Amino acid sequence: KQEVTQIPAALSVPEGENLVLNCSFTDSAIYNLQWFRQDPGKGLTSLLLIQSSQREQTSGRLNASLDKSSGRSTLYIAASQPGDSATYLCAVAGAQKLVFGQGTRLTINP
Amino acid sequence: DAGVTQSPTHLIKTRGQHVTLRCSPISGHKSVSWYQQVLGQGPQFIFQYYEKEERGRGNFPDRFSARQFPNYSSELNVNALLLGDSALYLCASSLDWALNYGYTFGSGTRLTVV
Repeated sequence: KQEVTQIPAALSVPEGENLVLNCSFTDSAIYNLQWFRQDPGKGLTSLLLIQSSQREQTSGRLNASLDKSSGRSTLYIAASQPGDSATYLCAVAGAQKLVFGQGTRLTINP
Repeated sequence: DAGVTQSPTHLIKTRGQHVTLRCSPISGHKSVSWYQQVLGQGPQFIFQYYEKEERGRGNFPDRFSARQFPNYSSELNVNALLLGDSALYLCASSLDWALNYGYTFGSGTRLTVV
């Protein structure tokens, strides 16, 4: 059974800092891994999709890496802004479904 | 192009009632999946449908059912509502059933059972 863990559960940093969010999973047999952003009470916005054959993906200030052999992914956010405040969820794609971590609640302080 | 649309956005029901939630996928997407997100937790998989057939079912009781229509839209039905069914219900669409292309989620339906 796939289990996904995100550390830390919450993170508060001053504006402008670079930061790293961590995601680990127990079963390396995945199709892909996706990072999402969720604002309070809202749906999920896809940030980055990394296929199982890829090592990293970049979009603007965001960079996500994937190490299947160790069951780890990281989301790197450069030059953080108050608008980055949200919950960040990672999800691994197995057979027919995504398995999510519980998320990291990120607060960027002006 | 419109994204994944869900209706209604909010819903209040009484214990024991029945509820139907609706979802329209992105045009061209043939796979629709449903997830339940309880406050403070990550979403949990309920169902996946592809080409109108159920392709996967999560660990939810038989009170939960779903179907997909010829136009690929979908509805989730929950019978005999319990207080614990209160959650954000998320619909997601994808190009294929094997999730090679990732998921796009809708804004969700907030269900409150009183």
